[in-house]
Amino acid sequence: AQRVTQPEKLLSVFKGAPVELKCNYSYSGSPELFWYVQYSRQRLQLLLRHISRESIKGFTADLNKGETSFHLKKPFAQEEDSAMYYCALLTDKLIFGTGTRLQVFP
Amino acid sequence: DAGVIQSPRHEVTEMGQEVTLRCKPISGHNSLFWYRQTMMRGLELLIYFNNNVPIDDSGMPEDRFSAKMPNASFSTLKIQPSEPRDSAVYFCASSLNDEKLFFGSGTQLSVL
Repeated sequence: AQRVTQPEKLLSVFKGAPVELKCNYSYSGSPELFWYVQYSRQRLQLLLRHISRESIKGFTADLNKGETSFHLKKPFAQEEDSAMYYCALLTDKLIFGTGTRLQVFP
Repeated sequence: DAGVIQSPRHEVTEMGQEVTLRCKPISGHNSLFWYRQTMMRGLELLIYFNNNVPIDDSGMPEDRFSAKMPNASFSTLKIQPSEPRDSAVYFCASSLNDEKLFFGSGTQLSVL
């Protein structure tokens, strides 16, 4: 079965704290994974994809095939990082996790 | 490019009424997706078109929901009759060859 699991509905941290948003996937093929972010009252937008191995807004995500995970990390959270974060798996369609709301308090 | 355009931005209707949501994908994109977002279930894929043909509608909740794509530049999602539990934000997204997905701003639907 093709599935994306984001176990945390809500993650709350203080500004400057490290953040890790968890994502696990289930897929028999070679996965292509993405993180999307939706800020309040804005459209969903692509944050990063594992293929490009990039760091966007200080966020990174490493694909771990052994653990079938693609956790999103940032060493020092900022208040403007508060948003909904969706992990997604591309097969013949884009499958989203249920999302994690990140709240960063001052 | 104006991006993916959805209308209306907000829709408030009474239970039992027909609701039609509209989407204009980015010009040149060949895949179009309808998603529904609720607090309880997050983002769910409802239906997916490729080259105007419905490929996977397994996410459509029930027969009250239908979607069409008469041409490459327009798609509709219709709910008839609508129910309060259909209240959600409905997103349309498009992509070229299933690559990067571009989302519209969504339609906030409230069924009273």
